[in-house]
Amino acid sequence: KNEVEQSPQNLTAQEGEFITINCSYSVGISALHWLQQHPGGGIVSLFMLSSGKKKHGRLIATINIQEKHSSLHITASHPRDSAVYICAAYGNKLVFGAGTILRVKS
Amino acid sequence: DTGVSQDPRHKITKRGQNVTFRCDPISEHNRLYWYRQTLGQGPEFLTYFQNEAQLEKSRLLSDRFSAERPKGSFSTLEIQRTEQGDSAMYLCASSIQALKGNTIYFGEGSWLTVV
Repeated sequence: KNEVEQSPQNLTAQEGEFITINCSYSVGISALHWLQQHPGGGIVSLFMLSSGKKKHGRLIATINIQEKHSSLHITASHPRDSAVYICAAYGNKLVFGAGTILRVKS
Repeated sequence: DTGVSQDPRHKITKRGQNVTFRCDPISEHNRLYWYRQTLGQGPEFLTYFQNEAQLEKSRLLSDRFSAERPKGSFSTLEIQRTEQGDSAMYLCASSIQALKGNTIYFGEGSWLTVV
């Protein structure tokens, strides 16, 4: 079993839909990162969480430390949100999930 | 540009050749990480440095792989006697070590194709 598990692996949504990507981890962490990766490789850090909830524009990230679970939500999804979303758990190093491939259709 | 930079961005090499990738982290960052990513997978940890000390190496890092960070600034990742299975993106990241986790900044990756 991987230390960081994401679901779903693939997600296709219609523009405007509310999207949720889930992440469960089994390692002890000091922080959890949500990352966005576009085709070509570039990775951008969206959120770093150690507790509670963070919001940036249409993106919301939550974490439940006791349950070792985090979610990334996208409200009013748009085709430009199409990318790979990766969660990564930070103990003394980052351990990545396999990523969720999101495609938002117009 | 003060981000993490990697060079070269793309490398095509023949099997059996040696290749070296370089990563220049953000200047004040004391931690530097190397990851490998194949298509359809999340990045896999290879190794990381705190300053010039290599603190951990993954079992993925065979004897053909070596990484250095001689002065605690830039780092190199060398792959000797490349094999087709080495084809991947090699991703570098850097951060400042902090007690409660830290924001990590990523380079754009170095794509390796072994033919």
